[in-house]
Amino acid sequence: GENVEQHPSTLSVQEGDSAVIKCTYSDSASNYFPWYKQELGKGPQLIIDIRSNVGEKKDQRIAVTLNKTAKHFSLHITETQPEDSAVYFCAARDTGKLIFGQGTTLQVKP
Amino acid sequence: GAVVSQHPSWVICKSGTSVKIECRSLDFQATTMFWYRQFPKQSLMLMATSNEGSKATYEQGVEKDKFLINHASLTLSTLTVTSAHPEDSSFYICSAREWGGAEQYFGPGTRLTVT
Repeated sequence: GENVEQHPSTLSVQEGDSAVIKCTYSDSASNYFPWYKQELGKGPQLIIDIRSNVGEKKDQRIAVTLNKTAKHFSLHITETQPEDSAVYFCAARDTGKLIFGQGTTLQVKP
Repeated sequence: GAVVSQHPSWVICKSGTSVKIECRSLDFQATTMFWYRQFPKQSLMLMATSNEGSKATYEQGVEKDKFLINHASLTLSTLTVTSAHPEDSSFYICSAREWGGAEQYFGPGTRLTVT
């Protein structure tokens, strides 16, 4: 089955800097890759996703890139703000269920 | 759009009792709903997948007789934790997906504490 590895587990950046989180997946059949932001005590919030027929997608300060050959995808957050501090999860899905990475705790220092 | 609600947001129950958690899709029809469990500082663990009108499919290691899932309508799924024990204490999160849609939206979660 699918396995998703996520790095780093923790990331601390200064406000205004960029943050990059990387994930690798094992199943080449996976075709949908969402990213979720989870704040303490809340459910995950879908922030951006990408399908396997696209290499890059951007939404304001957030972008995701996908390298199907290498089976990895990354989340890029530019001009980070304190409110970006949260746990971020990547996930991969082929036919049915999402398989999640282990999560990255992002801390943005003001 | 794409709002999923859960009720209750937190619940405390005594060991041996049962607890029901409701999950609703508010502005779309959820043909597929998922139930996850999350321990502190850990990732989401899928417990089961349910399609409207069908029996739920449980992940390996999840006791179907203990975690009863019902998905009787396109907007409502319920998870009942039967004969709850302290080790069932966790954060339970539901998720929903529309037919033909790729996006999967999560509810706010329910904190269950079994004393």
